[in-house]
This record gives sequence, structure tokens and C-alpha cells, in this order.
Amino acid sequence: DQQVKQNSPSLSVQEGRISILNCDYTNSMFDYFLWYKKYPAEGPTFLISISSIKDKNEDGRFTVFLNKSAKHLSLHIVPSQPGDSAVYFCAAWTGTASKLTFGTGTRLQVTL
Amino acid sequence: KAGVTQTPRYLIKTRGQQVTLSCSPISGHRSVSWYQQTPGQGLQFLFEYFSETQRNKGNFPGRFSGRQFSNSRSEMNVSTLELGDSALYLCASSLARGGTEAFFGQGTRLTVV
Repeated sequence: DQQVKQNSPSLSVQEGRISILNCDYTNSMFDYFLWYKKYPAEGPTFLISISSIKDKNEDGRFTVFLNKSAKHLSLHIVPSQPGDSAVYFCAAWTGTASKLTFGTGTRLQVTL
Repeated sequence: KAGVTQTPRYLIKTRGQQVTLSCSPISGHRSVSWYQQTPGQGLQFLFEYFSETQRNKGNFPGRFSGRQFSNSRSEMNVSTLELGDSALYLCASSLARGGTEAFFGQGTRLTVV
């Protein structure tokens, strides 16, 4: 049972444009949502998070939007840079279980 | 400040053997979690250790086990290896239980042949 879903396995965006990565979830008990970035042969690196009581969090070029009624969140990267090319994982966290539930990842390629 | 260190980085084992992976968390971090990453499955939660006790366990068979030492270092053991156990095993550390921001190591790539 995949509680966190990333339905797009890959995304290609031109440098300078906006990248939008999407994530859907089924468990309304999640307290926090996080995005991680992963390069090959490295562990995931924390990027940005959002509390379930918020609908937007911004950090530089990265903004995460949360739509609780739709159980959907998205990560916007503006402007996209070649160094952003990586696999992005959406994750959700529950305080009661104290564990992260990850999506299957979206591979972002930023082209010149 | 050193990050999360996992050893070894790469490992090749034969079916039926057992393997032990090691994880040293960030200094001061007391919570260690383990994840398995396979193509198409994302990161699957294995277990979490805090203060030398397993606090949470994912949906994996009993062949997967772990422990945590008093210095917060953790080991994960897989017995009777199967081909399907081939994966990247990632360790993450957090300052305390319930830490929403987990810091990951580079992982151990296990190949079972």
C-alpha cells in the first residue's frame, strides 16, 4: 500500500524555467511533508519541509505547496539550474509512528 | 562536523550468506533509522533505534534485524540472503526521536549473487 505517491518517474525542464514536482498521499494523519534530493551514489539530502497546518513554505528557489483537501503537495524550483538534476523524493512523517514514508521518486533533468 | 558514515560502501554476497552493515550517526544524534532503496520501490523503512532500543519496525521479514550501541552507532544484519535483498541500504540519523529532518549517509550497495 503506497501511502505516498509520485506518479511521474521523470521530468525534463529547460534551464531557467520552472520545475514542478508532484506528490500525492493517502494518509490524512501525516504531520509533516519533506522533499529530499538524491544524486547517484549519495544518500538523500534534505531540501525543504512543510507542516500539515501550513499551505506554503519557501526557501530561496524552492517552494513547497500543500493542498490538504486534495492530499497533494508540490515542489516548485524557480529558476531551474543544471545542478538541480537529481532524483527528488517526497516524504511524509507522522509523530506517532516517528518514521518517514517515501514516494518512489521523480528524476529531474534540467537541460541547457 | 562529520556526517553519517556507513560502511562498507559496496558489498557482494552469495545467496544464503548473512551480512552486517554499519552506521555511525552524526555526533550527538541518538536516533538511527534504516531504509532499503530498490528501483521502483523508493525508500522503504526498515527500523528505527533510539537509546539502544528498537522503537519502530517496517514491514520486513525477521531475517532483517539490527541493534544500536551505547555510542549510538548502529548495525543492521540480514541473514539467509536472497537475490531480492540486493539494494541500497541507507542509514539516517536524527537528533532525537521524532526529528522530522533526517540526515542520510551515502548508503551501502549490497549485491546478492
